[in-house]
Amino acid sequence: AQKVTQAQTEISVVEKEDVTLDCVYETRDTTYYLFWYKQPPSGELVFLIRRNSFDEQNEISGRYSWNFQKSTSSFNFTITASQVVDSAVYFCALSEVKNRDDKIIFGKGTRLHILP
Amino acid sequence: AAGVIQSPRHLIKEKRETATLKCYPIPRHDTVYWYQQGPGQDPQFLISFYEKMQSDKGSIPDRFSAQQFSDYHSELNMSSLELGDSALYFCASSPGLAGVRRTDTQYFGPGTRLTVL
Repeated sequence: AQKVTQAQTEISVVEKEDVTLDCVYETRDTTYYLFWYKQPPSGELVFLIRRNSFDEQNEISGRYSWNFQKSTSSFNFTITASQVVDSAVYFCALSEVKNRDDKIIFGKGTRLHILP
Repeated sequence: AAGVIQSPRHLIKEKRETATLKCYPIPRHDTVYWYQQGPGQDPQFLISFYEKMQSDKGSIPDRFSAQQFSDYHSELNMSSLELGDSALYFCASSPGLAGVRRTDTQYFGPGTRLTVL
């Protein structure tokens, strides 16, 4: 069965610090997608990144970077030089590609507080 | 760029009433998904449609039904509402490729916040 675990329920850091959000996933499939979504206090779900299971290259987008390691089934997300606007709940998610079943399974989320 | 549109954004209903939520996907997206997010919870998949046919079903109560119309918009109908149905309901859409089904990024709408009193 597919499962996404975000062990950190809540994290608080002071502005300008770096912070890493952990994500560990379980799946029996060899083909799958991993996602990160941001949910600010306003409630919408903002897509941040999608990574397929065959692409283990790390990715950097501005202050955001992602570390995908199949060997440890992890897909961690780092925010460098955090800002108050980064305060939100961040969801790691998994989607399998089989039998036309591509629903997204979300982790429980990590609530990130950036303190000024 | 156009995004997923959901209406209404907020809805208040009494127990045992019915509610209809609407979702308008991004243009040229042919797949629609519905998710339910309870307070402090992660979004849970309810149901999805591809080319107007139901393609997958999650933990959707029998009191709920949904469909996708010829213009690809979708409606989630909820009857005999219960207090526990109070949640944020997201619709997401993803693009097809010339009729070939593929898994692609799901873009979420802003959500409809349903409150059942």
